[in-house]
Amino acid sequence: SAVISQKPSRDICQRGTSLTIQCQVDSQVTMMFWYRQQPGQSLTLIATANQGSEATYESGFVIDKFPISRPNLTFSTLTVSNMSPEDSSIYLCSVDRVNYNEQFFGPGTRLTVL
Amino acid sequence: GIQVEQSPPDLILQEGANSTLRCNFSDSVNNLQWFHQNPWGQLINLFYIPSGTKQNGRLSATTVATERYSLLYISSSQTTDSGVYFCAVEGRGAGSYQLTFGKGTKLSVIP
Repeated sequence: SAVISQKPSRDICQRGTSLTIQCQVDSQVTMMFWYRQQPGQSLTLIATANQGSEATYESGFVIDKFPISRPNLTFSTLTVSNMSPEDSSIYLCSVDRVNYNEQFFGPGTRLTVL
Repeated sequence: GIQVEQSPPDLILQEGANSTLRCNFSDSVNNLQWFHQNPWGQLINLFYIPSGTKQNGRLSATTVATERYSLLYISSSQTTDSGVYFCAVEGRGAGSYQLTFGKGTKLSVIP
């Protein structure tokens, strides 16, 4: 399995501000994903982070709100922009390596927006 | 897109009891995974099981792909088994490795 780290692990932010979450993997991976888990809910895919090109967003998520970067095969960032209390969630990155077809998740970033 | 339904939504067990969690999905799948989310939010991989049966200690899982369901068995439950269990699938033909999650089963094991 891949070792995945996320920073920060948690944060409390004021509405209207932005937060950038980092995801680092210890080996090169093909696919990287960002998920959101709202309180008491299941996980919802935000976007697929594509290396060297724009991320692919799911319905209901837009680049202006959740800009994503993936400069190389082991690192990605997700920014939550112009935050509101409704953005309070756990944000998780996941990876999927070639020939494995099994996803592994980072420890998550617990975000609270006041 | 593919639909994933898990049952029961909540389950309370006495320590030492056995349980079966179910996951139904609406279409053929390339990938099916079971996860345990602990109280700190960490998702722990339990099984990668698009078909067949696997066992790992007190846990086992069976997926019957032709009938579109998977079962997770927990035997001799312990308080550390508490948390939320998620089933997640990748629909066949999606080509993008995206997982669709069920709503989870919240398990509470009491001493």
